[in-house]
Amino acid sequence: QSLLTQPPSVSAAPGQKVTIICSGSSSDIGRNYVSWYQQFPGTAPKLLIYENKRRPSGIPDRFSGSKSGTSATLGITGLQTGDEADYYCGTWDITLSVGRYVFGTGTKVTVL
Amino acid sequence: EVQLVESGGRLVQPGESLRLSCAAFGFTFSDYAMTWVRQAPGKGLECVSTLTGSGGTTSYEDSVRGRFFISRDNSKNTLYLEMISLRAEDTAIYYCARTFNYGTGSYLDYWGQGALVTVSS
Repeated sequence: QSLLTQPPSVSAAPGQKVTIICSGSSSDIGRNYVSWYQQFPGTAPKLLIYENKRRPSGIPDRFSGSKSGTSATLGITGLQTGDEADYYCGTWDITLSVGRYVFGTGTKVTVL
Repeated sequence: EVQLVESGGRLVQPGESLRLSCAAFGFTFSDYAMTWVRQAPGKGLECVSTLTGSGGTTSYEDSVRGRFFISRDNSKNTLYLEMISLRAEDTAIYYCARTFNYGTGSYLDYWGQGALVTVSS
């Protein structure tokens, strides 16, 4: 059961911008870093953003991340057809004493 | 180059057991926590279990606690997931992922290609 809520889908024309909001609570996003993952059909997920806003080597700066309170946002500018994929947020949840990693519900990005 | 290779996925009947393995290459295995993530057909990602680099601390998703057991052999650079009393709802692709940090600041920076587990009679 995901504790992090994302919109099921977002879309925009090529070259435009999309934003995906990941909503959580004080026990997860509110007190932990957020990461974002990109997944193409039939392939493994790939790390896109970590520690709220940092990009791993090789990830273009068209992808950006931010966090405020109990929500995090992934932005994609200059949208390309190759960006069509599913995107998931993730963070550590400390509702339980041991804690565990949790993912968002996922968002499908469509380029119109 | 970091590489993770899962194995052991197959078709099993409800109630049976199965062990998945994840062989790690290209990094100091014991320095990193490791996580198993699953994805049911057409569904989203679900974190199944995480284990620290030393193997001393674990976490489990509620629906698998008591049925799934994560472990590692740092001398063999291998992560395991022992699954017992499998149910139809455990059908999924199971990914292993290298995990930077256990707890606050955690993220999964490298993923394997996945192993398909199908539970059906």
